[in-house]
Amino acid sequence: AQTVTQSQPEMSVQEAETVTLSCTYDTSESDYYLFWYKQPPSRQMILVIRQEAYKQQNATENRFSVNFQKAAKSFSLKISDSQLGDAAMYFCAYRVSSGSRLTFGEGTQLTVNP
Amino acid sequence: KAGVTQTPRYLIKTRGQQVTLSCSPISGHRSVSWYQQTPGQGLQFLFEYFSETQRNKGNFPGRFSGRQFSNSRSEMNVSTLELGDSALYLCASSLVGLADYEQYFGPGTRLTVT
Repeated sequence: AQTVTQSQPEMSVQEAETVTLSCTYDTSESDYYLFWYKQPPSRQMILVIRQEAYKQQNATENRFSVNFQKAAKSFSLKISDSQLGDAAMYFCAYRVSSGSRLTFGEGTQLTVNP
Repeated sequence: KAGVTQTPRYLIKTRGQQVTLSCSPISGHRSVSWYQQTPGQGLQFLFEYFSETQRNKGNFPGRFSGRQFSNSRSEMNVSTLELGDSALYLCASSLVGLADYEQYFGPGTRLTVT
């Protein structure tokens, strides 16, 4: 069974600084996708970034980038120039390419200090 | 395009009752997935419907059921409610439910069982 682990229940960062959220996963599949979702206090789950396992290049979306280490089964999220609006719960998630089910990690609560 | 809508947004039920939650996907989306979010268990996959057929099911008791209509709207039903069913229920829609198609989440239905 696939599992996703986020070892940092809480993180904090100063506004304008950089923070990295960690995620590890376990799978025997070779074809899969990894995601970072953001869940603000409104509870609306928002996709931040995704990475296809077959791609060696790390995904980037504006201030958000990932460090995907396939052999180590590691998938961290880097947020640069943190903004107050980045404060939220962040979930790492996995999905096998042929399926629709998302497997989520426990989440990391990110606080951004002004 | 309108986003994923869920009704009702909040619900209070008594133990032993049953409840029906509704999810209207983004227009044109044929896949609808349901997730349960609790503080103790995190985000867990309930089931996925595609073209009116249940295509995937999570590890939940038979009290949890769902269906999808010809217009892709989906309902989930929980019978004989237990206190532990108190949770945020999220649904997500996708064009065809494959991994390279993004899932869009609704705002959720907060169910409280007393």
